[in-house]
Amino acid sequence: SQQGEEDPQALSIQEGENATMNCSYKTSINNLQWYRQNSGRGLVHLILIRSNEREKHSGRLRVTLDTSKKSSSLLITASRAADTASYFCATARNTGANSKLTFGKGITLSVRP
Amino acid sequence: GAGVSQSPSNKVTEKGKDVELRCDPISGHTALYWYRQSLGQGLEFLIYFQGNSAPDKSGLPSDRFSAERTGGSVSTLTIQRTQQEDSAVYLCASSGQATNYGYTFGSGTRLTVV
Repeated sequence: SQQGEEDPQALSIQEGENATMNCSYKTSINNLQWYRQNSGRGLVHLILIRSNEREKHSGRLRVTLDTSKKSSSLLITASRAADTASYFCATARNTGANSKLTFGKGITLSVRP
Repeated sequence: GAGVSQSPSNKVTEKGKDVELRCDPISGHTALYWYRQSLGQGLEFLIYFQGNSAPDKSGLPSDRFSAERTGGSVSTLTIQRTQQEDSAVYLCASSGQATNYGYTFGSGTRLTVV
């Protein structure tokens, strides 16, 4: 079953605008991760935020985590056409160094030049 | 190798035939995962290998699906008596001990059952 539910399912913005994508989940987690997928092939890991963290930054990416609401958001600032892709959130329930991730269905982001 | 390698990249097979999909993880990664993704859908967990522990097979959809990981490295996912609903992209990923880097995915095998 899907743990993460992303919102919206699809997002279309103009280049230069910010893109905000949300993810909600149902059970307690150890960490939450965001991935990007181009052309329906392999996913690329973007950022990981642990359950005891509230916000994290990486370049133009900002991710927040609210464990009380069981939700996370991914913000991409100053979007570029090359950011066009599908974005997935994934949750890890276990504390081990390697643990099974449960993925949501993804958000399709289109950035218009 | 430098990344996770999957082969073949594309496979077309006739309904009822068996197929084998291969995954070569990043050297030294102790965990290996198989997922599948149907058109426009999220990733469905299939099976997870962690070191020498018994694999977590809880996601395998039927007994037609099996996987093994030899020598803690290369893994093979086998689908017997393929059905049209098995058509999907099969993704393999591996991860190491550092927990900040998530999974590294291969490019997947696109399986089409005709």
